Amino acid sequence: DTGVSQDPRHKITKRGQNVTFRCDPISEHNRLYWYRQTLGQGPEFLTYFQNEAQLEKSRLLSDRFSAERPKGSFSTLEIQRTEQGDSAMYLCASSLGQVPYNEQFFGPGTRLTVL
Amino acid sequence: DQQVKQNSPSLSVQEGRISILNCDYTNSMFDYFLWYKKYPAEGPTFLISISSIKDKNEDGRFTVFLNKSAKHLSLHIVPSQPGDSAVYFCAALRNSGYALNFGKGTSLLVTP
Repeated sequence: DTGVSQDPRHKITKRGQNVTFRCDPISEHNRLYWYRQTLGQGPEFLTYFQNEAQLEKSRLLSDRFSAERPKGSFSTLEIQRTEQGDSAMYLCASSLGQVPYNEQFFGPGTRLTVL
Repeated sequence: DQQVKQNSPSLSVQEGRISILNCDYTNSMFDYFLWYKKYPAEGPTFLISISSIKDKNEDGRFTVFLNKSAKHLSLHIVPSQPGDSAVYFCAALRNSGYALNFGKGTSLLVTP
């Protein structure tokens, strides 16, 4: 399978715990994005990487959230001290960056439930 | 604030008929528009896109129309098939921007 993969697919945690999600983009894609989707809403942009550099962060990304993309390959999204409001689907997407507009390919998402 | 709006949460169409999904936007800086389809338990899948320099783009059964003056776009599916039943998201991108701005989605049900 050469699509975007995410791990885990589901995560249940207790409030106050830390969680980390992983995203493996399509191998030749240099751009990687994280989005969050809550019930009844469309995906909302969180952050964007070009290679290993984090170039844009949404104001939705509080200081409890941190994302990395070491070596410009896979990416991790960590949420510290989780809150019930963090419960959502976390989507990762990747794209090629050579032309101005390239479609973003999405992974299946990680569904986080904070109890 | 919601810059991309899909005002119809759901739509039901008979198989073989035309499905028309609508999308409005408020930000005049948007210059590229995309439609994504999403099945339950899967991530959104790219369907079709249109640049602001065009007013129509067609790909098989799918056609997207853009009316810049009205800040409105629509997705036409002809003929509709039961496998088209999914949630459809409209998304917009600003020039040199990276973040897709999504609407809330329209759930399409195509009945046999």
